[in-house]
Parts: sequence; structure tokens; C-alpha cells
Amino acid sequence: DTEVTQTPKHLVMGMTNKKSLKCEQHMGHRAMYWYKQKAKKPPELMFVYSYEKLSINESVPSRFSPECPNSSLLNLHLHALQPEDSALYLCASSPGLAEGEWWEQFFGPGTRLTVL
Amino acid sequence: AQSVAQPEDQVNVAEGNPLTVKCTYSVSGNPYLFWYVQYPNRGLQFLLKYITGDNLVKGSYGFEAEFNKSQTSFHLKKPSALVSDSALYFCAVRDPFSGNTPLVFGKGTRLSVIA
Repeated sequence: DTEVTQTPKHLVMGMTNKKSLKCEQHMGHRAMYWYKQKAKKPPELMFVYSYEKLSINESVPSRFSPECPNSSLLNLHLHALQPEDSALYLCASSPGLAEGEWWEQFFGPGTRLTVL
Repeated sequence: AQSVAQPEDQVNVAEGNPLTVKCTYSVSGNPYLFWYVQYPNRGLQFLLKYITGDNLVKGSYGFEAEFNKSQTSFHLKKPSALVSDSALYFCAVRDPFSGNTPLVFGKGTRLSVIA
């Protein structure tokens, strides 16, 4: 199974809502990533987890809260978002972060988030 | 600092013709270079990479790219384009001596292959 799955595919939320995005992979990868992609822009890295520990936080606002409950699952908890947070949120995984392990990242299809 | 530039927002090519999608980079040392493709409503898919060795690298779906150190370029090529190649293409770079810094993606080039 070489697939990264993300749920939901679409999410509409108000600025006072709390919601979560979910990502799952069963490739045995130990590194997982969250990216944000605005329309017609490249993906921007938000967070990286390695062996279920947060390895990189690209100065993301605290209204985004990542969680890695086990090696196959990655969540992104959302609270008090702003309309400018509307974007495609992509999850990715790689075998690890060591040399050679991160060269190819496997991406999920994304969750398209709209904040009203 | 590392950066990558894709000078063309859009590339149009007729089916069966060769295609080139351009990428130039800037890193302090020898770069790691990548191409990813994104189809509509999908995540990115890895196409190919240059780490070291032969300057011409071959990847998925008949794509190849040539690393040119003197021109700091890593252009993506395919000898004969297919309509199904129409997608958004991203070049990415990482400086291998930059510690744990992430991949830096270019802004993307939309390829349209016309039948």
C-alpha cells in the first residue's frame, strides 16, 4: 500500500469552530508532514514529525495544532481559524528524515478547507 | 539561503512534440533537486531527483531532467508530450548542508498539452 489518505476531502468551518484533519499511511514511514497550499502557489511546509515527535514547526500560528498519535496517523487540529487560512492542506510521508530517507515524499490528495 | 525559480507560469505544447519545463536554483553548495507533478484535485507525485552522479536523470512517465551546474539549472524534459501530461509541475531544491531545513518548492509551471 503506497497511499497516503486524508479525510475529509472538503471542510467548511466558521471562525469559532474546532475541527480536525486526519492523515493516514501504512507504508511504515516514520516521517510525516503537513503542508499548506494556496491556490496557484507552491506547497508551504508547516510541520514535520519524525518517530512521532515534532521535528520542525515552521513558525505556524497556534490556531493550528498538530498531533501524531502513532506512526501511521497524523492529525491537524484547527481552532479559531481566519478566512485567510482557507487553502488545500496536504499531508505527506517519507521513510524517515535521515539521508536518503526523505528524498521522495508521498503526498495525500489533500483536504480543501474553507473558513467562513 | 536556498531558492528555486520556475520562470514560466504556463507552457503550452502540442501532443507528440517535445516539452521542456524550466527550473533554476540557488544554493550555497551542491544541490539536491527534485521534480513533482500535481494533477487537479490531487496531491503532489514524485517524478525524479538529482542527488549526485550522472547529470541526466530519468524518472516516471518518460520524464527526464538534466542537471547543469554551470547554468544552475534542472530543466524537466520529455521527448513526446501526451495530453495526460497536462498538470502543474513543481521543481524543488534542498541544500544538503543546511541541516534539517525543508524542501523549497518553486511556484509551479502549468503544462498544457494540446491534442
